[in-house]
Amino acid sequence: DADVTQTPRNRITKTGKRIMLECSQTKGHDRMYWYRQDPGLGLRLIYYSFDVKDINKGEISDGYSVSRQAQAKFSLSLESAIPNQTALYFCATKGAGASGELFFGEGSRLTVL
Amino acid sequence: GQNIDQPTEMTATEGAIVQINCTYQTSGFNGLFWYQQHAGEAPTFLSYNVLDGLEEKGRFSSFLSRSKGYSYLLLKELQMKDSASYLCAVRDGDYQLIWGAGTKLIIKP
Repeated sequence: DADVTQTPRNRITKTGKRIMLECSQTKGHDRMYWYRQDPGLGLRLIYYSFDVKDINKGEISDGYSVSRQAQAKFSLSLESAIPNQTALYFCATKGAGASGELFFGEGSRLTVL
Repeated sequence: GQNIDQPTEMTATEGAIVQINCTYQTSGFNGLFWYQQHAGEAPTFLSYNVLDGLEEKGRFSSFLSRSKGYSYLLLKELQMKDSASYLCAVRDGDYQLIWGAGTKLIIKP
């Protein structure tokens, strides 16, 4: 089983609908992140959380919200989806080692029509 | 502004060697990462450089020159499974990760 699990893996929805992407991890890491990936662009940070009570906006947080329900769970919500939020979304956790590399979930592909 | 540049696409032959370059301009530097991402899959960590020089890990090596704002990833004895995108990312002075758009590597038999 994957250490970082995202659901759903694929979702097609319509403009104006509310969407939640869920992420859970078994790595025991405190730090969790939500990124989006678009063709031709680098990964862009949406929100990040250092622990349950510490949530921070990333570079592209407008139109998104998050909830850190527990150390292991970090959800991303689109309150009213729009077509330019069509993208591949990744959840990640940060290791505690010297490099602090990220461990990514399998990704959630969202299409907004 | 902060910027990371890497070639969009490269092609190489199975068994050969390929070097993927990454140049960066960031406000501060606290390490450079390389990740591999197969199509439709999650990025996976390959290497981390924080000091100048070469880090070798099996068939993969990563080099860093902080004074030149430059890194490269060297892949030896290329295999078909190395066909993937390679992402360069820099941790800036505020410990934020800045990502390049990635280099798509195509391996031909």
